[in-house]
Amino acid sequence: NAGVTQTPKFRVLKTGQSMTLLCAQDMNHEYMYWYRQDPGMGLRLIHYSVGEGTTAKGEVPDGYNVSRLKKQNFLLGLESAAPSQTSVYFCASSWGDSPLHFGNGTRLTVT
Amino acid sequence: GENVEQHPSTLSVQEGDSAVIKCTYSDSASNYFPWYKQELGKGPQLIIDIRSNVGEKKDQRIAVTLNKTAKHFSLHITETQPEDSAVYFCAASGFRGTYKYIFGTGTRLKVLA
Repeated sequence: NAGVTQTPKFRVLKTGQSMTLLCAQDMNHEYMYWYRQDPGMGLRLIHYSVGEGTTAKGEVPDGYNVSRLKKQNFLLGLESAAPSQTSVYFCASSWGDSPLHFGNGTRLTVT
Repeated sequence: GENVEQHPSTLSVQEGDSAVIKCTYSDSASNYFPWYKQELGKGPQLIIDIRSNVGEKKDQRIAVTLNKTAKHFSLHITETQPEDSAVYFCAASGFRGTYKYIFGTGTRLKVLA
Protein backbone atom coordinates (compact mmCIF):
# COMPACT_ATOMS: atom_id res chain seq x y z
CA ASN A 1 0.00 0.00 0.00
CA ALA A 2 1.79 3.13 -1.23
CA GLY A 3 -0.38 5.70 0.60
CA VAL A 4 0.51 9.21 -0.63
CA THR A 5 3.21 9.49 -3.28
CA GLN A 6 4.81 12.78 -4.34
CA THR A 7 6.92 13.33 -7.41
CA PRO A 8 9.54 14.60 -7.88
CA LYS A 9 11.46 14.38 -4.58
CA PHE A 10 13.85 17.20 -5.44
CA ARG A 11 13.83 20.00 -8.01
CA VAL A 12 15.88 23.07 -8.76
CA LEU A 13 14.29 25.85 -10.83
CA LYS A 14 15.47 29.17 -12.11
CA THR A 15 13.38 32.27 -11.43
CA GLY A 16 10.54 32.50 -13.91
CA GLN A 17 10.45 28.81 -14.81
CA SER A 18 7.33 26.74 -14.34
CA MET A 19 6.76 23.28 -12.95
CA THR A 20 4.08 20.92 -11.68
CA LEU A 21 4.24 18.80 -8.55
CA LEU A 22 2.23 15.59 -8.62
CA CYS A 23 0.50 13.97 -5.67
CA ALA A 24 -1.17 10.57 -5.93
CA GLN A 25 -3.07 8.68 -3.23
CA ASP A 26 -4.42 5.14 -3.34
CA MET A 27 -6.70 5.30 -0.28
CA ASN A 28 -9.78 6.63 -2.11
CA HIS A 29 -9.70 9.77 0.05
CA GLU A 30 -12.05 12.62 -0.83
CA TYR A 31 -9.92 15.43 0.57
CA MET A 32 -6.45 16.40 -0.62
CA TYR A 33 -4.17 19.21 0.51
CA TRP A 34 -0.97 20.98 -0.43
CA TYR A 35 1.20 22.46 2.33
CA ARG A 36 4.53 24.22 2.31
CA GLN A 37 6.99 23.89 5.17
CA ASP A 38 9.48 26.62 5.98
CA PRO A 39 11.82 26.87 8.99
CA GLY A 40 10.07 28.35 12.01
CA MET A 41 6.74 28.63 10.20
CA GLY A 42 5.38 25.13 10.42
CA LEU A 43 3.06 23.79 7.74
CA ARG A 44 1.02 26.37 5.84
CA LEU A 45 -1.93 25.39 3.69
CA ILE A 46 -1.63 26.45 0.04
CA HIS A 47 -4.72 24.93 -1.59
CA TYR A 48 -7.00 22.04 -0.86
CA SER A 49 -9.72 19.99 -2.54
CA VAL A 50 -12.90 18.50 -1.08
CA GLY A 51 -13.47 16.16 -4.00
CA GLU A 52 -12.79 15.46 -7.65
CA GLY A 53 -13.14 18.61 -9.74
CA THR A 54 -13.06 21.00 -6.75
CA THR A 55 -10.33 23.25 -5.37
CA ALA A 56 -10.19 25.95 -2.68
CA LYS A 57 -7.64 28.45 -1.43
CA GLY A 58 -5.75 28.00 1.80
CA GLU A 59 -3.61 30.41 3.81
CA VAL A 60 -0.90 31.12 1.20
CA PRO A 61 -2.36 30.51 -2.31
CA ASP A 62 -0.67 33.33 -4.25
CA GLY A 63 1.67 32.15 -7.01
CA TYR A 64 0.25 28.63 -7.08
CA ASN A 65 -2.49 26.86 -8.99
CA VAL A 66 -3.98 23.42 -8.47
CA SER A 67 -6.12 20.91 -10.28
CA ARG A 68 -8.01 17.78 -9.20
CA LEU A 69 -9.13 16.15 -12.44
CA LYS A 70 -9.02 12.66 -10.96
CA LYS A 71 -9.94 11.71 -7.41
CA GLN A 72 -6.58 10.10 -6.75
CA ASN A 73 -4.42 12.96 -8.07
CA PHE A 74 -3.85 16.53 -6.92
CA LEU A 75 -1.46 18.70 -8.94
CA LEU A 76 0.29 21.84 -7.71
CA GLY A 77 1.57 24.24 -10.34
CA LEU A 78 4.00 27.12 -10.21
CA GLU A 79 3.59 29.25 -13.34
CA SER A 80 6.53 31.60 -12.74
CA ALA A 81 8.75 30.45 -9.89
CA ALA A 82 10.20 32.97 -7.45
CA PRO A 83 12.96 32.54 -4.83
CA SER A 84 10.28 33.00 -2.12
CA GLN A 85 8.80 29.68 -3.26
CA THR A 86 11.90 27.80 -2.17
CA SER A 87 10.44 25.38 0.35
CA VAL A 88 9.53 21.79 1.10
CA TYR A 89 6.09 20.93 -0.25
CA PHE A 90 3.90 18.28 1.31
CA CYS A 91 0.77 16.71 -0.05
CA ALA A 92 -1.76 15.09 2.27
CA SER A 93 -5.10 13.32 1.95
CA SER A 94 -7.95 12.31 4.24
CA TRP A 95 -11.63 11.39 4.46
CA GLY A 96 -12.26 14.87 5.86
CA ASP A 97 -12.92 14.57 9.56
CA SER A 98 -10.08 12.08 9.95
CA PRO A 99 -6.28 12.11 10.22
CA LEU A 100 -4.19 13.45 7.39
CA HIS A 101 -1.87 11.07 5.55
CA PHE A 102 1.21 12.85 4.27
CA GLY A 103 3.63 12.14 1.47
CA ASN A 104 7.38 12.43 2.02
CA GLY A 105 7.66 15.86 0.45
CA THR A 106 9.26 17.63 -2.49
CA ARG A 107 12.22 19.87 -1.82
CA LEU A 108 12.13 22.79 -4.26
CA THR A 109 14.90 25.33 -4.69
CA VAL A 110 14.38 28.43 -6.85
CA THR A 111 17.55 30.29 -7.77
CA GLY B 1 -8.62 34.02 10.85
CA GLU B 2 -7.82 30.64 12.26
CA ASN B 3 -4.56 30.38 14.14
CA VAL B 4 -2.71 27.77 16.20
CA GLU B 5 0.15 28.77 18.49
CA GLN B 6 2.61 26.15 19.70
CA HIS B 7 5.20 26.31 22.50
CA PRO B 8 8.04 25.74 23.06
CA SER B 9 9.83 25.83 19.72
CA THR B 10 12.65 23.65 21.08
CA LEU B 11 12.70 21.28 24.05
CA SER B 12 15.56 19.22 25.44
CA VAL B 13 14.94 16.55 28.07
CA GLN B 14 16.97 13.79 29.64
CA GLU B 15 16.10 10.24 28.64
CA GLY B 16 13.39 8.95 30.95
CA ASP B 17 12.00 12.38 31.78
CA SER B 18 8.65 13.72 30.58
CA ALA B 19 8.05 16.24 27.82
CA VAL B 20 5.08 18.57 27.44
CA ILE B 21 4.19 20.60 24.36
CA LYS B 22 1.34 23.12 24.44
CA CYS B 23 -0.92 24.57 21.76
CA THR B 24 -3.59 27.23 21.71
CA TYR B 25 -6.20 27.63 18.99
CA SER B 26 -8.25 30.67 18.09
CA ASP B 27 -11.43 29.36 16.46
CA SER B 28 -13.91 28.00 19.00
CA ALA B 29 -15.57 25.99 16.19
CA SER B 30 -12.51 23.71 16.00
CA ASN B 31 -13.44 20.17 16.97
CA TYR B 32 -10.54 17.88 16.03
CA PHE B 33 -6.97 18.15 17.32
CA PRO B 34 -4.30 15.78 15.95
CA TRP B 35 -0.62 15.63 16.82
CA TYR B 36 2.02 14.70 14.26
CA LYS B 37 5.62 13.57 14.56
CA GLN B 38 8.05 14.39 11.78
CA GLU B 39 11.39 12.67 11.41
CA LEU B 40 14.16 14.04 9.25
CA GLY B 41 13.43 13.78 5.53
CA LYS B 42 9.93 12.39 6.00
CA GLY B 43 6.38 13.63 6.07
CA PRO B 44 4.52 14.12 9.36
CA GLN B 45 2.96 11.01 10.88
CA LEU B 46 -0.06 11.00 13.18
CA ILE B 47 0.77 9.91 16.73
CA ILE B 48 -2.41 10.75 18.63
CA ASP B 49 -5.56 12.80 18.21
CA ILE B 50 -8.48 14.05 20.29
CA ARG B 51 -11.95 15.30 19.51
CA SER B 52 -13.76 18.13 21.22
CA ASN B 53 -16.12 15.86 23.16
CA VAL B 54 -13.21 14.24 25.03
CA GLY B 55 -10.94 15.81 27.67
CA GLU B 56 -8.03 13.37 27.64
CA LYS B 57 -6.75 10.46 25.60
CA LYS B 58 -3.81 8.12 26.25
CA ASP B 59 -1.85 5.70 24.12
CA GLN B 60 0.96 4.01 26.02
CA ARG B 61 3.56 6.73 26.77
CA ILE B 62 1.69 9.46 24.91
CA ALA B 63 -1.31 11.46 26.13
CA VAL B 64 -3.20 14.48 24.90
CA THR B 65 -5.38 16.79 27.00
CA LEU B 66 -7.92 19.31 25.79
CA ASN B 67 -9.37 22.33 27.60
CA LYS B 68 -12.12 23.67 25.36
CA THR B 69 -12.92 26.62 27.61
CA ALA B 70 -9.36 27.90 27.46
CA LYS B 71 -8.86 26.65 23.87
CA HIS B 72 -5.69 24.83 24.91
CA PHE B 73 -4.49 21.32 24.13
CA SER B 74 -1.27 19.63 25.15
CA LEU B 75 0.88 16.63 24.26
CA HIS B 76 2.50 14.68 27.09
CA ILE B 77 5.25 12.13 26.49
CA THR B 78 6.40 10.13 29.49
CA GLU B 79 9.56 8.03 29.91
CA THR B 80 11.12 9.67 26.88
CA GLN B 81 13.50 7.66 24.71
CA PRO B 82 16.10 8.78 22.13
CA GLU B 83 13.78 7.67 19.31
CA ASP B 84 11.25 10.26 20.49
CA SER B 85 13.61 12.94 19.17
CA ALA B 86 11.80 14.62 16.26
CA VAL B 87 9.72 17.66 15.36
CA TYR B 88 6.17 17.59 16.72
CA PHE B 89 3.25 19.55 15.25
CA CYS B 90 -0.17 20.21 16.68
CA ALA B 91 -3.12 21.02 14.45
CA ALA B 92 -6.75 22.07 14.66
CA SER B 93 -9.57 21.30 12.27
CA GLY B 94 -13.31 21.61 11.84
CA PHE B 95 -13.57 25.34 11.27
CA ARG B 96 -17.14 26.23 10.31
CA GLY B 97 -17.73 22.77 8.92
CA THR B 98 -14.67 22.70 6.71
CA TYR B 99 -11.87 20.16 6.89
CA LYS B 100 -8.99 22.60 6.73
CA TYR B 101 -6.18 21.72 9.08
CA ILE B 102 -4.21 24.61 10.57
CA PHE B 103 -0.86 23.64 12.07
CA GLY B 104 1.27 25.04 14.85
CA THR B 105 4.84 26.07 14.08
CA GLY B 106 6.37 22.90 15.50
CA THR B 107 8.48 21.83 18.49
CA ARG B 108 11.90 20.24 18.04
CA LEU B 109 12.26 17.68 20.82
CA LYS B 110 15.72 16.38 21.71
CA VAL B 111 15.99 13.48 24.11
CA LEU B 112 19.48 13.35 25.60
CA ALA B 113 20.86 9.91 26.40
